Amino acid sequence: AQKVTQAQTEISVVEKEDVTLDCVYETRDTTYYLFWYKQPPSGELVFLIRRNSFDEQNEISGRYSWNFQKSTSSFNFTITASQVVDSAVYFCALSRTGAGNMLTFGGGTRLMVKP
Amino acid sequence: NAGVTQTPKFQVLKTGQSMTLQCAQDMNHEYMSWYRQDPGMGLRLIHYSVGAGITDQGEVPNGYNVSRSTTEDFPLRLLSAAPSQTSVYFCASSSGPYAGSPLHFGNGTRLTVT
Repeated sequence: AQKVTQAQTEISVVEKEDVTLDCVYETRDTTYYLFWYKQPPSGELVFLIRRNSFDEQNEISGRYSWNFQKSTSSFNFTITASQVVDSAVYFCALSRTGAGNMLTFGGGTRLMVKP
Repeated sequence: NAGVTQTPKFQVLKTGQSMTLQCAQDMNHEYMSWYRQDPGMGLRLIHYSVGAGITDQGEVPNGYNVSRSTTEDFPLRLLSAAPSQTSVYFCASSSGPYAGSPLHFGNGTRLTVT
């Protein structure tokens, strides 16, 4: 069975601080995909990034960066110089190849960025 | 640029009532799915469809029915609502039933069953 754990349920930071959201996953598959989604207070779910299990390169997109470490089954998300607009719930998710497009989500981390 | 459209946005039902949550996408996506979001549990897959006429169960299918008569529409039916079905429901689509295709989500339907 697959499982995604986001141990941090809530994080509160002050604007301009860096913050890392942790994601640990469990799977027996050798091929899989990992995702991060953002859910702002308005409630919609916004796709942020996809990483496949064969690509362990870290990725940076502006103030966002992702650290994928297969050895520790982790896919952590860092926001540099956080802003109030980053306040949201962030979900890490795992999908399996050959299983349609079913995602297993973590419980989410609520990030509050205070001015 | 409608994407995935869900109706209604909010709904209150009494226990035992039935209703259909509507979902439509205009991106010609093959794959559609329904998730429910509960506090602390993330999103859990209810049912999914890999194309018109084909549906299958996800992780939490009990109490829900689906059908897929067209590519665009994927309604979710609650036959006899129960308080345990109080949740936020999201419909999602992707271009293919391939793991790795990013899901496009609707804005959700908040359902309360009293």
